[in-house]
Amino acid sequence: AQSVTQPDIHITVSEGASLELRCNYSYGATPYLFWYVQSPGQGLQLLLKYFSGDTLVQGIKGFEAEFKRSQSSFNLRKPSVHWSDAAEYFCAVGIQGAQKLVFGQGTRLTINP
Amino acid sequence: EPEVTQTPSHQVTQMGQEVILRCVPISNHLYFYWYRQILGQKVEFLVSFYNNEISEKSEIFDDQFSVERPDGSNFTLKIRSTKLEDSAMYFCASKGQTFSYEQYFGPGTRLTVT
Repeated sequence: AQSVTQPDIHITVSEGASLELRCNYSYGATPYLFWYVQSPGQGLQLLLKYFSGDTLVQGIKGFEAEFKRSQSSFNLRKPSVHWSDAAEYFCAVGIQGAQKLVFGQGTRLTINP
Repeated sequence: EPEVTQTPSHQVTQMGQEVILRCVPISNHLYFYWYRQILGQKVEFLVSFYNNEISEKSEIFDDQFSVERPDGSNFTLKIRSTKLEDSAMYFCASKGQTFSYEQYFGPGTRLTVT
């Protein structure tokens, strides 16, 4: 069965520091990959997506992610975090031929001033 | 920018009662979804809906659940007889094109069953 793993449940970084959130997936074919962000009391906002082509994708709010097929990974990065980036981040996989998205368990990001 | 809206934002109900969660998807979208997130757990797919019928559902979506698109704008999730374990955040999502996997999510309805 398809699955998504986000190994880090909670990460704390200092404002201005770089960030990398990890995501690994298990799926037989090339997946469609997404990162969503959920601020407290808010819905899920799409940060970026990968369908095909360039494996380094740019998203909103200065985020980027790199698809590495050999590692079955799609890690999210940001060179310098801002206090407003504190939120829950979800990696998700779209399965070919199916309608649903499969989500990871999320990583909660805390920013230290 | 068009967005998915959901009402109410928070619903409290007693065990055994029926609840209807409402969603207004993005206006030209054709595919509609419900997901839920139990507190502290991952977001889980419940059901997808296209062309006025369910196209896929998970094992969670049992006979207690139903979905409906009663008019051209609303998309509803009904839970017939709520259980304590139905307490969760319920997200509605919509998608425009057949070959796009990009789903747009609403802000969610927090359902509390007491």
